[in-house]
Amino acid sequence: ETGVTQSPTHLIKTRGQQVTLRCSSQSGHNTVSWYQQALGQGPQFIFQYYREEENGRGNFPPRFSGLQFPNYSSELNVNALELDDSALYLCASSPRTGDPYGYTFGSGTRLTVV
Amino acid sequence: AQTVTQSQPEMSVQEAETVTLSCTYDTSESDYYLFWYKQPPSRQMILVIRQEAYKQQNATENRFSVNFQKAAKSFSLKISDSQLGDAAMYFCAYRSAMRNTDKLIFGTGTRLQVFP
Repeated sequence: ETGVTQSPTHLIKTRGQQVTLRCSSQSGHNTVSWYQQALGQGPQFIFQYYREEENGRGNFPPRFSGLQFPNYSSELNVNALELDDSALYLCASSPRTGDPYGYTFGSGTRLTVV
Repeated sequence: AQTVTQSQPEMSVQEAETVTLSCTYDTSESDYYLFWYKQPPSRQMILVIRQEAYKQQNATENRFSVNFQKAAKSFSLKISDSQLGDAAMYFCAYRSAMRNTDKLIFGTGTRLQVFP
């Protein structure tokens, strides 16, 4: 059973650019959630995808968007990057929406905006 | 809105000793879940222990146990017989029991150092 895989592990982008981060969910998991973890902070919920639809969103602007594919993998897209977007982006998958115990996290993508 | 507070930015413990990490939360809900996650330098969040709010009995997982005080909205983690591998960031997290809400609300974390 493979875990949650995120790519790339590190990324450096320039302010104003766009970035796409990728997440492969754990086998058998159909729900994917994305979190932003700024330095020295706890993760903050960005949004969740279930059956290719956004199913819950945190307090993030529309320039944060996502996709989920039929194989349940997911992408996080951030447009018009700002310096404050520099953070660790974590993906978590779960067997189904509403399962409080099944969260499995990936190791994250460290994004640096310069 | 729910909030989670961890008031200890850093804690240290000697190997084989016991340490307690504090967490308080605020919610108006009666049914929810609480978690402690460990984040080592590898960055992956690893579930340490979980507690259902409707259960009065405190959860225990090997060397890890919690002190859940629902009325006080307190959820502390006790690590017994500390090991060098326990050194990491520890995050307390809250999850509503509402089925359409999967998001976790995290505290700011406590960095645990373990000395030999």
